[in-house]
Amino acid sequence: DTAVSQTPKYLVTQMGNDKSIKCEQNLGHDTMYWYKQDSKKFLKIMFSYNNKELIINETVPNRFSPKSPDKAHLNLHINSLELGDSAVYFCASSQGQEGYGYTFGSGTRLTVV
Amino acid sequence: KQEVTQIPAALSVPEGENLVLNCSFTDSAIYNLQWFRQDPGKGLTSLLLIQSSQREQTSGRLNASLDKSSGRSTLYIAASQPGDSATYLCAVGRSGTYKYIFGTGTRLKVLA
Repeated sequence: DTAVSQTPKYLVTQMGNDKSIKCEQNLGHDTMYWYKQDSKKFLKIMFSYNNKELIINETVPNRFSPKSPDKAHLNLHINSLELGDSAVYFCASSQGQEGYGYTFGSGTRLTVV
Repeated sequence: KQEVTQIPAALSVPEGENLVLNCSFTDSAIYNLQWFRQDPGKGLTSLLLIQSSQREQTSGRLNASLDKSSGRSTLYIAASQPGDSATYLCAVGRSGTYKYIFGTGTRLKVLA
């Protein structure tokens, strides 16, 4: 039973394409996040949703659009992919803002060629 | 703006050694601090969470301390084992922000 699952695990695509990454958690958490880890392994938050409401949008380009159909899902859609979007994207969830039970997915490695 | 730094960036030790990983942050107005472990090609696993009112937390061979006023936390690993080899990240949370600011990580290698 995977607590936070992301699909796909790997994604290779050409510049200019549109792609989506899906995330689901079965922990009953009310807060979900998207983080980006760059080539230097630096992890930075992109978005946070609490009970399907957008809480954080960290100056991410408009080409990135998160969607949360319900508390258990937070998907990330990326338009017009650029080379600089290549990174590992992690989904995470927690109960509330205090960080309890913070659980990460195994990541999606996106390569834009 | 909160900045989180971890020293050293990389560490290689023989099995059995006790070791200390350091984390420093610039803004002491934190809600809590967590230590995570990341194995290659995998997600992060939460190791210890310290609330801002606490001084330390322990789990097995791991002990994390927090000195909020000086902006520092340490992760102490006792009797290190090869299975401890991973990247260790500290992350600080600010009240009301629903997010963690992550440090740059310490890549640990424990040699058998």
